[in-house]
Amino acid sequence: DIQMTQSPSSLSASIGDRVTITCRSSQTTRTYLNWYQQKPGIAPRLLIYSASSLQSGVPSRFSGNGSGTDFTLTITSLQPEDFATYYCQQSYGSPHTFGQGTKLEIK
Amino acid sequence: EVQLVESGGGLVQPGRSLRLSCAASGFTLGDYAMHWVRQVPGKGLEWVSGFTWNTGTIDYVDSVKGRFTVSRDNAKNSLYLQMNSLKSEDTALYHCARRSDSYAFDLWGQGTMVTVSS
Repeated sequence: DIQMTQSPSSLSASIGDRVTITCRSSQTTRTYLNWYQQKPGIAPRLLIYSASSLQSGVPSRFSGNGSGTDFTLTITSLQPEDFATYYCQQSYGSPHTFGQGTKLEIK
Repeated sequence: EVQLVESGGGLVQPGRSLRLSCAASGFTLGDYAMHWVRQVPGKGLEWVSGFTWNTGTIDYVDSVKGRFTVSRDNAKNSLYLQMNSLKSEDTALYHCARRSDSYAFDLWGQGTMVTVSS
């Protein structure tokens, strides 16, 4: 199985900050890497697919980068609604494993 | 409205069975690869089952292989997860999700809670 490791596990930031979350896979996932946002009590929401493509309706302050085993999700100019938990997921191999999540909190 | 709605969760004793349903509306479920993902309250997401493009078959996470089975009824536009020999570690919120052409889960249901306890 492909293991997905996110860092950091939690992150405190302020409104307007730029933050970057890292996701590393235990073997190549090419660009079959997706990012989701989840808020308490709500189903996950797709933000980025294929490592760097922005899902329709997602603000342009979200961006993804990477290929192979190392990926990043960057949020520029944090907004109040961005405080949530973020997950990466690989859809290259089965099982389609998720990272453990990164909880983004308000400083 | 395009949406997925899960049902069928509940409290069940260890060793018993449960069948979850996922009803699709606003799109034809049969046109998509569908997946199940679960989440223990307060914990992370765990992929459970789905049609995986690289194997061309429905696959399952090791912990449920031989116990869980996915099926679908295209006439009812619905997906199912038959869960047998349930264990306490199967306790979670179960979401169905639609896989897009870009191999990401672009539509999720709100989930149905399964609690396995005596």
